[in-house]
Amino acid sequence: SQKIEQNSEALNIQEGKTATLTCNYTNYSPAYLQWYRQDPGRGPVFLLLIRENEKEKRKERLKVTFDTTLKQSLFHITASQPADSATYLCALGYSSASKIIFGSGTRLSIRP
Amino acid sequence: EAQVTQNPRYLITVTGKKLTVTCSQNMNHEYMSWYRQDPGLGLRQIYYSMNVEVTDKGDVPEGYKVSRKEKRNFPLILESPSPNQTSLYFCASSLSGFGRTNEKLFFGSGTQLSVL
Repeated sequence: SQKIEQNSEALNIQEGKTATLTCNYTNYSPAYLQWYRQDPGRGPVFLLLIRENEKEKRKERLKVTFDTTLKQSLFHITASQPADSATYLCALGYSSASKIIFGSGTRLSIRP
Repeated sequence: EAQVTQNPRYLITVTGKKLTVTCSQNMNHEYMSWYRQDPGLGLRQIYYSMNVEVTDKGDVPEGYKVSRKEKRNFPLILESPSPNQTSLYFCASSLSGFGRTNEKLFFGSGTQLSVL
């Protein structure tokens, strides 16, 4: 079965630096990959989607890359702020399936 | 405001006492789904629905039931809750099912369930 690995340990970053989160998967490459943000006690909120034929996607301070050879997606937050502190989930989508599969998430803390 | 509404937010119950968690969306979405979230295990899908009267099992359906009589509502039913169903539950919806389009999910605020 498909396995998704995200940094299991929390990531602590100094404010202003770039935070980079990793999402690795095994087996089949997804048709697309999504990133969500989740704050404590709240539901995940969609951030970005990148398709298998796209190498990179940007939205304001966010950048996502997708490397199907390495079976990896990287999620970058530039000029990080304490308000960016949250758990970030990656999710894989397949054209043949009626669902997306979530990773367990990486907790990011930005210290002032 | 476009949203997915779950109720209740917190629920403490005892083993075997039937309960229902409600979910409603006001975006006319076809697809709805239930997830449970446990530490270290991520979000796991319980059941999903592609449209009215169309439901199917997700990865962890045992001990749960759902129904989709109306497009906006997708209640989750635990007929005889057990302590291993203690978890954080999320309802989610999207415009249409995955596969045909790259749809994003809209999540509710969650229901923290404790079964004693």
